[in-house]
Amino acid sequence: AQTVTQSQPEMSVQEAETVTLSCTYDTSENNYYLFWYKQPPSRQMILVIRQEAYKQQNATENRFSVNFQKAAKSFSLKISDSQLGDTAMYFCAFNHGNKLVFGAGTILRVKS
Amino acid sequence: DTAVSQTPKYLVTQMGNDKSIKCEQNLGHDTMYWYKQDSKKFLKIMFSYNNKELIINETVPNRFSPKSPDKAHLNLHINSLELGDSAVYFCASSHWSGLYNEQFFGPGTRLTVL
Repeated sequence: AQTVTQSQPEMSVQEAETVTLSCTYDTSENNYYLFWYKQPPSRQMILVIRQEAYKQQNATENRFSVNFQKAAKSFSLKISDSQLGDTAMYFCAFNHGNKLVFGAGTILRVKS
Repeated sequence: DTAVSQTPKYLVTQMGNDKSIKCEQNLGHDTMYWYKQDSKKFLKIMFSYNNKELIINETVPNRFSPKSPDKAHLNLHINSLELGDSAVYFCASSHWSGLYNEQFFGPGTRLTVL
């Protein structure tokens, strides 16, 4: 069974600075997808970024980028130039086939 | 234009009651899901339907029964509600493509059982 671990329950960052959220996972699969979802106080789940396991290049979406280390089963999210609107719960998720398995989430607070 | 919608957004009810949550998607997807987010914010899949057929049924009590009248709708009926059923329930949808499916989530339904 796949498991996803987010070891940081809460993080804080100053506006305009950079923060990295950690995620590790466990699977015996060779090909799969990884996602980061953002859940702001409105509780809507918003896809931030995705990564295919067979692609070595790290995914980037504007201020969001990942550091994907397949051998280490690590998938961290870097947020550059943090903005107040980035304040949210962030979930790492593993996808193989028809199922998303989520980590426990990291609360990120961006301070002005 | 709402992609995945759920009704109601909030539901407060007494223990022992039966209630339903409705979900509709207008994205043309063929697979729909129900997730439960508990009080600690942990998200876990409950059910998945592909083309109206149940394909995932996690260890969910029999009091929970999903129903998919067509590909665009997936409803969740809960019998004999218990205090522990209080949670946020998310509906999601995706294309079924074997390995990869980007799931689009509805706004969630906050269920409170008193």
